[in-house]
Amino acid sequence: AQSVTQLDSQVPVFEEAPVELRCNYSSSVSVYLFWYVQYPNQGLQLLLKYLSGSTLVKGINGFEAEFNKSQTSFHLRKPSVHISDTAEYFCAVSRMDSSYKLIFGSGTRLLVRP
Amino acid sequence: DGGITQSPKYLFRKEGQNVTLSCEQNLNHDAMYWYRQDPGQGLRLIYYSQIVNDFQKGDIAEGYSVSREKKESFPLTVTSAQKNPTAFYLCATLGGQGATYEQYFGPGTRLTVT
Repeated sequence: AQSVTQLDSQVPVFEEAPVELRCNYSSSVSVYLFWYVQYPNQGLQLLLKYLSGSTLVKGINGFEAEFNKSQTSFHLRKPSVHISDTAEYFCAVSRMDSSYKLIFGSGTRLLVRP
Repeated sequence: DGGITQSPKYLFRKEGQNVTLSCEQNLNHDAMYWYRQDPGQGLRLIYYSQIVNDFQKGDIAEGYSVSREKKESFPLTVTSAQKNPTAFYLCATLGGQGATYEQYFGPGTRLTVT
């Protein structure tokens, strides 16, 4: 079975500062990796994904993530955050099979302060 | 305008009543998914369907039922057997294949049962 751990439930940061949201996963098989963002009372929007290839993945809104297979991590980073980045961020994994079921972490709330 | 529609956005029911949540898509995607979101727990898979007239249980299917009579529609019924139905419910579809695949999410329905 797969599992995803997001170690920080909330990350406060000042505007224009860098941020890293941590994600670790556990799986006995190869997986796809995703980061989603959710604004209040809305659905999820895909930020970026790692399926194969380069381990550094760039996504929308200036976010990037690096897949580290040896540490089973997929941390999300942004060099300079904006107030509008305040949201809930979810890391997710999916087995490389035909069901494409997603297993989500518990989420990290990013709170950007002026 | 392509997308996923979930209606209504807010739904209130009395305990003991069945309630059906709507999910419609015009993306021509084959696979559809239902997730439940509770505070601090991330999203958990309830049911998914990969083709019309076929669906599979997810991790928390007890107390829920679904149907998939049309490609565009995947309604979820929350039955009176669901012990704690108050939650935010998200519908998703799967687009692309292999390296391009991702799940697209609807705006969600917040169900409150009292």
